Amino acid sequence: DGGITQSPKYLFRKEGQNVTLSCEQNLNHDAMYWYRQDPGQGLRLIYYSQIVNDFQKGDIAEGYSVSREKKESFPLTVTSAQKNPTAFYLCASNGGLRKPQHFGDGTRLSIL
Amino acid sequence: AQSVTQPDIHITVSEGASLELRCNYSYGATPYLFWYVQSPGQGLQLLLKYFSGDTLVQGIKGFEAEFKRSQSSFNLRKPSVHWSDAAEYFCAVGESTGGFKTIFGAGTRLFVKA
Repeated sequence: DGGITQSPKYLFRKEGQNVTLSCEQNLNHDAMYWYRQDPGQGLRLIYYSQIVNDFQKGDIAEGYSVSREKKESFPLTVTSAQKNPTAFYLCASNGGLRKPQHFGDGTRLSIL
Repeated sequence: AQSVTQPDIHITVSEGASLELRCNYSYGATPYLFWYVQSPGQGLQLLLKYFSGDTLVQGIKGFEAEFKRSQSSFNLRKPSVHWSDAAEYFCAVGESTGGFKTIFGAGTRLFVKA
């Protein structure tokens, strides 16, 4: 079955460390998205990519970086510049303008 | 800028009772509207969507939503709630400025009591 795979499910970061969250999709979707979810704040857009080798900042991009070298993959790096990284991170993809987003099961990032 | 407001942070209903979750949006043109459901520790699942046509939209799990342009609302309803409906519900609007994105409301957490 087609879908989005996020790994790992749980991740711990030490102070000053960069960590990378994986997101892979086999839906053949051009567009992919990263969201951060905090309690009571809904989903906030970090970065999105409409096509391979191109991506745009969302509303809260500071302290994060992404790459889109392959259509299937859209990894998110949480850098040491992100001072409050503890959150639930969701990856999504979209098959077109009138299509809903498909979501992975998320990665929960915590600070050691 | 587009926005989505879900006025209720949480709602508690008895099992078997009816449910209505409110959603108001701000969008200049005909909106693309969605309702998603999220169980704890999981991703979001699409319940239903509205793009055009019939303003009463049927979704999965017995949910429906009605688009009311005059009120800028897209409320979610279910005639009889089951305990398994306890989850968080997100209303969302799609926008196409600078690429296609989805704007989410803050969510409404539904509690179901026996």
